[in-house]
Amino acid sequence: KAGVTQTPRYLIKTRGQQVTLSCSPISGHRSVSWYQQTPGQGLQFLFEYFSETQRNKGNFPGRFSGRQFSNSRSEMNVSTLELGDSALYLCASSLTGTGLGELFFGEGSRLTVL
Amino acid sequence: AQKITQTQPGMFVQEKEAVTLDCTYDTSDPSYGLFWYKQPSSGEMIFLIYQGSYDQQNATEGRYSLNFQKARKSANLVISASQLGDSAMYFCAMSGRETKDSGGSNYKLTFGKGTLLTVNP
Repeated sequence: KAGVTQTPRYLIKTRGQQVTLSCSPISGHRSVSWYQQTPGQGLQFLFEYFSETQRNKGNFPGRFSGRQFSNSRSEMNVSTLELGDSALYLCASSLTGTGLGELFFGEGSRLTVL
Repeated sequence: AQKITQTQPGMFVQEKEAVTLDCTYDTSDPSYGLFWYKQPSSGEMIFLIYQGSYDQQNATEGRYSLNFQKARKSANLVISASQLGDSAMYFCAMSGRETKDSGGSNYKLTFGKGTLLTVNP
């Protein structure tokens, strides 16, 4: 059974640009959640999608957005990139949703903003 | 608000010895779950063990056991017979409901800051 797949694994952008990250969950999982991991702030919850609807949202500015497609694949977008957006972005999938069961994580997309 | 505290930024252990990683939590929700994840240098978060707030017995998964002390609000991870491959960051996490300002509630997963475990040969 294939795990959670995130693309791209690494990317470098400059301030002001925008970026789109992709996450393919485990087959059959309807919940996809996104986390930002930085050395200073640790792991912070961005948002969760379940059956194409945003169900939970963390405390991030509107520059951070996401969506989920009918096949449960999810994308997150960050517009007008700032230096502080440099981080490892982790995607997790689950059968039932955040906090209701085990989360399966991908290997992450490491974003560097110059 | 939910809060997870891991007070050990780093821990060292000799190969084949046992090690305990500390985790305390705070929540007003009587129903919650506690998780431990391992993150090697590759970045992927690997699920290790889960404990539900109503579970009577401590969870165990192979060499991993969770020492759940509800009254003290602690959920320490015990790794027995440490191996070199156990060297990684370890995160404690808690799931539970949080009431939104607008009413209603969300399930939320909150992570601690992590503990970097180094296993020495």
